[in-house]
Amino acid sequence: GQSLEQPSEVTAVEGAIVQINCTYQTSGFYGLSWYQQHDGGAPTFLSYNALDGLEETGRFSSFLSRSDSYGYLLLQELQMKDSASYFCAVRVAYSGAGSYQLTFGKGTKLSVIP
Amino acid sequence: GAVVSQHPSRVICKSGTSVKIECRSLDFQATTMFWYRQFPKKSLMLMATSNEGSKATYEQGVEKDKFLINHASLTLSTLTVTSAHPEDSSFYICSATPGQRSYEQYFGPGTRLTVT
Repeated sequence: GQSLEQPSEVTAVEGAIVQINCTYQTSGFYGLSWYQQHDGGAPTFLSYNALDGLEETGRFSSFLSRSDSYGYLLLQELQMKDSASYFCAVRVAYSGAGSYQLTFGKGTKLSVIP
Repeated sequence: GAVVSQHPSRVICKSGTSVKIECRSLDFQATTMFWYRQFPKKSLMLMATSNEGSKATYEQGVEKDKFLINHASLTLSTLTVTSAHPEDSSFYICSATPGQRSYEQYFGPGTRLTVT
């Protein structure tokens, strides 16, 4: 099976930088994804890392170390609208038809304060 | 970007009745669709994975006779909650991928089911 650990809550000040860590244990690992979910809404894709290193997309960056089974999401220049839950998810092979599945962590609730 | 719709967005039903939830990929063909369940302030729990034209694969602990999944076409998957009970009340979310090797899942807006 798979297991993921991430902090349950993080609070940060508007304009600051925050890092959300994720550690995982899984077999058949293909990559680590990050999703954002506002209250009552659907998850939206933020980033995906299949290889070690840092991926940057605007204010958001994501990092992966496969040897350490560890990754993080970095949010810069925090805005109030970034207040949401952030989920890391491991992408693993699914036996049916060569597809892949996502297993989600429990989510980190980020609160951005003025 | 790819858009996935769900219908209905909210449904209230009486205990013992069945409810069907539709998930559609609007601008792409979804080889694979996923159904998740999410409790308040909790993570998304994968219920089942379905590929068009074949039977769904259910996760351990999910009753396939209670949660019927039909992936009839490359743009439509349905989840039917049969003989619903109050403990089935939850937020049900579908997602879809445009290809077998796609790493991104596109999520629908979710369906809030309340069983009274």
